[in-house]
Amino acid sequence: NAGVMQNPRHLVRRRGQEARLRCSPMKGHSHVYWYRQLPEEGLKFMVYLQKENIIDESGMPKERFSAEFPKEGPSILRIQQVVRGDSAAYFCASSPGDRGDEQYFGPGTRLTVT
Amino acid sequence: QKEVEQNSGPLSVPEGAIASLNCTYSDRGSQSFFWYRQYSGKSPELIMSIYSNGDKEDGRFTAQLNKASQYVSLLIRDSQPSDSATYLCAVTDTGGFKTIFGAGTRLFVKA
Repeated sequence: NAGVMQNPRHLVRRRGQEARLRCSPMKGHSHVYWYRQLPEEGLKFMVYLQKENIIDESGMPKERFSAEFPKEGPSILRIQQVVRGDSAAYFCASSPGDRGDEQYFGPGTRLTVT
Repeated sequence: QKEVEQNSGPLSVPEGAIASLNCTYSDRGSQSFFWYRQYSGKSPELIMSIYSNGDKEDGRFTAQLNKASQYVSLLIRDSQPSDSATYLCAVTDTGGFKTIFGAGTRLFVKA
């Protein structure tokens, strides 16, 4: 049973470019969460999605960031016009249900903005 | 702002000793509590979940929850050098959709 998949594992973008991070949840999981972790800091919640629905995006910056989880295919976290401050590890987690179910993390995407 | 507080450490214990990690949270309505382990450069790995007051044991790990005191702890018995990592406390908010992580406690187990 494959775990949570994320790609790419490493992504380098120049300032002003777009970054697209992909996440495929564990088999049987329909709930996806995105987190950001800056060096030497804790995980910060960004967004919680179910298939075709954004349930809670209270942790998402108001501009440049968006997320989706289409009916078919992986969840996508999109960062437009990246800036150096966007450099971080972005983790995706999935759970089988909502409201407090255990979340299982993918390996993360490490974004570097030059 | 709902918060989860942990002592950043580092907490250093000798091999074979009990490591005690603590966490407090601010949202009285929280119902779900988790401990994750994160090695440097890796993703968080779920160790324990706990939902009711009291103790929950799994191998060398025991999670303790006291909702009245808004306090969660993790005990690691017979600590091993391989337990050296950052331990993250996570709490789901009242609505149950959003999970808030503490900044983590760094644990060092000396051989």
